[in-house]
Amino acid sequence: GEDVEQSLFLSVREGDSSVINCTYTDSSSTYLYWYKQEPGAGLQLLTYIFSNMDMKQDQRLTVLLNKKDKHLSLRIADTQTGDSAIYFCAEVKAAGNKLTFGGGTRVLVKP
Amino acid sequence: ETGVTQSPTHLIKTRGQQVTLRCSSQSGHNTVSWYQQALGQGPQFIFQYYREEENGRGNFPPRFSGLQFPNYSSELNVNALELDDSALYLCASSPPGLAGGDRDTQYFGPGTRLTVL
Repeated sequence: GEDVEQSLFLSVREGDSSVINCTYTDSSSTYLYWYKQEPGAGLQLLTYIFSNMDMKQDQRLTVLLNKKDKHLSLRIADTQTGDSAIYFCAEVKAAGNKLTFGGGTRVLVKP
Repeated sequence: ETGVTQSPTHLIKTRGQQVTLRCSSQSGHNTVSWYQQALGQGPQFIFQYYREEENGRGNFPPRFSGLQFPNYSSELNVNALELDDSALYLCASSPPGLAGGDRDTQYFGPGTRLTVL
């Protein structure tokens, strides 16, 4: 099976909170990342968390990591229409080497 | 500070041809990684270059090859193009430093959209 899995789609109303979930299989993951991709564009780094942390907050973004369940989530507070995009979680297992991505979650923000 | 740049933006080739994609790393970054993103999927790791040497390779055939230059810019070459090579090719660069955290964080360019007919 896939190393990193995400749900395909999330619809949310403007102003509400969005929660995007991700599961991974390898307990040796060292860092976990969230990237945003808008149509026709590259990947924009949003935030990352070290595997020995439970939570990281950065302005409207909150990352939660449950290492026991190998579950990662990204919460976006006060979601705006500009947050509509595809969100990818990714893990890196060995320092400085490859990122393994999930399939992406398409977030649609409705006014 | 200049971010990661890639050229060309779009490219159309026919089956069997060869293609070269180019990437300039972000200022101060010495590691470059290449990814292939097929439509509707997450990026897949092709290979990484560090100090002009290949530093890890994903599950791609030898017709995918690369180079890194002394100024840390990089090229991805694909020979004998196949229809399935149609994808967005992403380049990412990482800064030098101690392993972990910022050292591992990869910053992506806008990508090159390759279409193989």
